[in-house]
Amino acid sequence: GDSVTQMEGPVTLSEEAFLTINCTYTATGYPSLFWYVQYPGEGLQLLLKATKADDKGSNKGFEATYRKETTSFHLEKGSVQVSDSAVYFCALKGGGAQKLVFGQGTRLTINP
Amino acid sequence: DVKVTQSSRYLVKRTGEKVFLECVQDMDHENMFWYRQDPGLGLRLIYFSYDVKMKEKGDIPEGYSVSREKKERFSLILESASTNQTSMYLCASSLWTLRRGDSYEQYFGPGTRLTVT
Repeated sequence: GDSVTQMEGPVTLSEEAFLTINCTYTATGYPSLFWYVQYPGEGLQLLLKATKADDKGSNKGFEATYRKETTSFHLEKGSVQVSDSAVYFCALKGGGAQKLVFGQGTRLTINP
Repeated sequence: DVKVTQSSRYLVKRTGEKVFLECVQDMDHENMFWYRQDPGLGLRLIYFSYDVKMKEKGDIPEGYSVSREKKERFSLILESASTNQTSMYLCASSLWTLRRGDSYEQYFGPGTRLTVT
């Protein structure tokens, strides 16, 4: 079945550092890919998404490119802030499916 | 602005009690979901509903039941709460995926942190 593998955390960085959180997937067909963020004490919010190969999703300075050849959707940000501290989830939705398949989540902590 | 609300942010119950967690969405979404979130285990789907009175088991349905009498409301029921059901419970909703290319995301509520003592 479909699956998502995320970089294991926790990840700790200093403010203004470059961030990469790796995400790879296994799926048949052409899934849609998502990154969700969960701030402390809150539910998940959609951060960005991409629906086909080579699409780039972006939001709040975060970017991720749908790479079909490497089955990856890595999350990147050029300069992180303390306010980016959160748990990040990669997810996929298979073509025609109703449910999302989530990765395990990566906890990110940014120190000032 | 889309909204998914959950009846409680924090709940403390005793072992053996019947527990109801309520979720309401105002987006006229067909699909609604209940997840539990535990450290190191990520999100696990408990139940899913794609229409009123329709439900489908997720990955961990044991010890839980659900009810969907109205389109906007999806309830999670713990028939007899146990300490291993202490967790964060998240509700979500989404539009029904009609075509293979549809990429509708799920919208999440703020979560209910349930403690069973």
